[in-house]
Amino acid sequence: DTEVTQTPKHLVMGMTNKKSLKCEQHMGHRAMYWYKQKAKKPPELMFVYSYEKLSINESVPSRFSPECPNSSLLNLHLHALQPEDSALYLCASSRQVDGVSSYEQYFGPGTRLTVT
Amino acid sequence: AQSVAQPEDQVNVAEGNPLTVKCTYSVSGNPYLFWYVQYPNRGLQFLLKYITGDNLVKGSYGFEAEFNKSQTSFHLKKPSALVSDSALYFCAVRDPQRSGAGSYQLTFGKGTKLSVIP
Repeated sequence: DTEVTQTPKHLVMGMTNKKSLKCEQHMGHRAMYWYKQKAKKPPELMFVYSYEKLSINESVPSRFSPECPNSSLLNLHLHALQPEDSALYLCASSRQVDGVSSYEQYFGPGTRLTVT
Repeated sequence: AQSVAQPEDQVNVAEGNPLTVKCTYSVSGNPYLFWYVQYPNRGLQFLLKYITGDNLVKGSYGFEAEFNKSQTSFHLKKPSALVSDSALYFCAVRDPQRSGAGSYQLTFGKGTKLSVIP
């Protein structure tokens, strides 16, 4: 099973709302990632969790707040977003994240976020 | 810094013909190279990877890629294209010799839209 699930599939929120995106995998992967993808562009890395600890924060605004409650679950909490934050948010996981690992990342289907 | 170039925004090929999607890379050390495919409104799907060994790598759905160190290329190929292969294809690179967090970051190319014409 190489499935990463994401909920919800679509989300529309106002600029004053608070919402959360959820990602789950049951492959025993210990690295999990959040990416942002604009239409017809490559994914942009936002956060990396390794063994449930935040390893990378790619200078993402504080209105995005990641959380990794356990090794299978990854959340992205959203607050006071801007219309330019509208995008496809992708979650991914891989077996490990250390430098020599060749393990590929497996992506979820994404959450299509629209900020109004 | 590591980088990936996909020189073609779009590739059109007739069904049944061979297809090639081009990718060149730049890293300081030995690269880890990946191809992903993205269908409309979907996440990225892993196709294949090159880490070491045989320069010809076989992957999912009949795709293969050839690693060429002298040309720093990793082109994706398929002998006979299907209409269902129409999608957006991303090449990505990792440089495991980079220090710290940079060693496991994937750098993606801008993507190539493949259209297979019936």
